[in-house]
Amino acid sequence: DQQVKQNSPSLSVQEGRISILNCDYTNSMFDYFLWYKKYPAEGPTFLISISSIKDKNEDGRFTVFLNKSAKHLSLHIVPSQPGDSAVYFCAASESNYKLTFGKGTLLTVNP
Amino acid sequence: SQTIHQWPATLVQPVGSPLSLECTVEGTSNPNLYWYRQAAGRGLQLLFYSVGIGQISSEVPQNLSASRPQDRQFILSSKKLLLSDSGFYLCAWILPGTSDGLETQYFGPGTRLLVL
Repeated sequence: DQQVKQNSPSLSVQEGRISILNCDYTNSMFDYFLWYKKYPAEGPTFLISISSIKDKNEDGRFTVFLNKSAKHLSLHIVPSQPGDSAVYFCAASESNYKLTFGKGTLLTVNP
Repeated sequence: SQTIHQWPATLVQPVGSPLSLECTVEGTSNPNLYWYRQAAGRGLQLLFYSVGIGQISSEVPQNLSASRPQDRQFILSSKKLLLSDSGFYLCAWILPGTSDGLETQYFGPGTRLLVL
């Protein structure tokens, strides 16, 4: 039973355009959500997070949107850059210090 | 500043051989520590986590085990490796209760294990 789902295994966008990465969850007890970025053969690095009391959090080119009623969150990257090409993991927590990750989406930004 | 180390970076082991992967954290005290595995076609799977010395919680039944002999040391072991143990193993840490309650996990560089 996968509680965090990233249904798109890959996404390809042009440099300068918007990248939208989606994530769905099933556990209504999740109250904290994060996005991680991972390059091959490296550990994931934290990108941006949002708590369930908010519906939007912005940090530079990255914005995370949370729709609690739909149990859906998304990561927007604007403008996309070739260096953004990586695997992006969505993760969720019940504030119990454990994270449940999705399977990841490979983003490719074409110059 | 805090840093997290994992070694070895890469490991090739025959089926049935033992395993020991080590993770150490510097620059912090009393962290929660985690072992994850990323296998081909799968996301990050939480294997074990520890909230203190000698305290280990297992998330997935398997032939792996974990130990925390010291506050900032987390070890992943196996007595006999299986082919299915191949993957990318990641250690992570977190300081509970920091960052205004918005916890994030910080990951190490990972160990790539290939079981042949």
